[in-house]
Amino acid sequence: QQQVKQSPQSLIVQKGGISIINCAYENTAFDYFPWYQQFPGKGPALLIAIRPDVSEKKEGRFTISFNKSAKQFSLHIMDSQPGDSATYFCAPFSGTYKYIFGTGTRLKVLA
Amino acid sequence: DAGVTQSPTHLIKTRGQHVTLRCSPISGHKSVSWYQQVLGQGPQFIFQYYEKEERGRGNFPDRFSARQFPNYSSELNVNALLLGDSALYLCASKSTTGNQPQHFGDGTRLSIL
Repeated sequence: QQQVKQSPQSLIVQKGGISIINCAYENTAFDYFPWYQQFPGKGPALLIAIRPDVSEKKEGRFTISFNKSAKQFSLHIMDSQPGDSATYFCAPFSGTYKYIFGTGTRLKVLA
Repeated sequence: DAGVTQSPTHLIKTRGQHVTLRCSPISGHKSVSWYQQVLGQGPQFIFQYYEKEERGRGNFPDRFSARQFPNYSSELNVNALLLGDSALYLCASKSTTGNQPQHFGDGTRLSIL
């Protein structure tokens, strides 16, 4: 019940395009759904997060869409930029559970 | 405000040795967690400490141990190092007020020869 599946493993997008990364989970106890961004040599940094009482949250070019019944949430990066090239992790958790990270998606945005 | 700080940034050890990694959480954060991130993979949960007590433990052998001090800083200890322990070790702290996100340090890169 703690499994988290992230897709795709890697993604190449043209500058200005839309990047979409998906995360599927099994544990219905998760109640907080963040996405982390990690650059080489750095720790993961919180990018955007959503709670299960809303279906979508937008912050600038980044949007989370949440589908509670399907147990999935996704990250959309609009107008993707070369500076967005990084590895992205979903990491759903609840206060009573170990924190579970997805396997990561390596995004490359071509200039 | 300072973020999560970890020391050292890099470390080289040989098999069988022991290592201690250190973490200072964000001021006011009382919860500290440790993760192991092997190259090309997502972070794997090792421990969570809150108020100096272990609150969660991942699937790691007893060679891994940790503790939290009264100032909420933390140490991760690994005994009898194996080649497979080579990884980036991340520390994360979080506020325990409400359901707050974790904030990560930049990690300690541990290489075992």
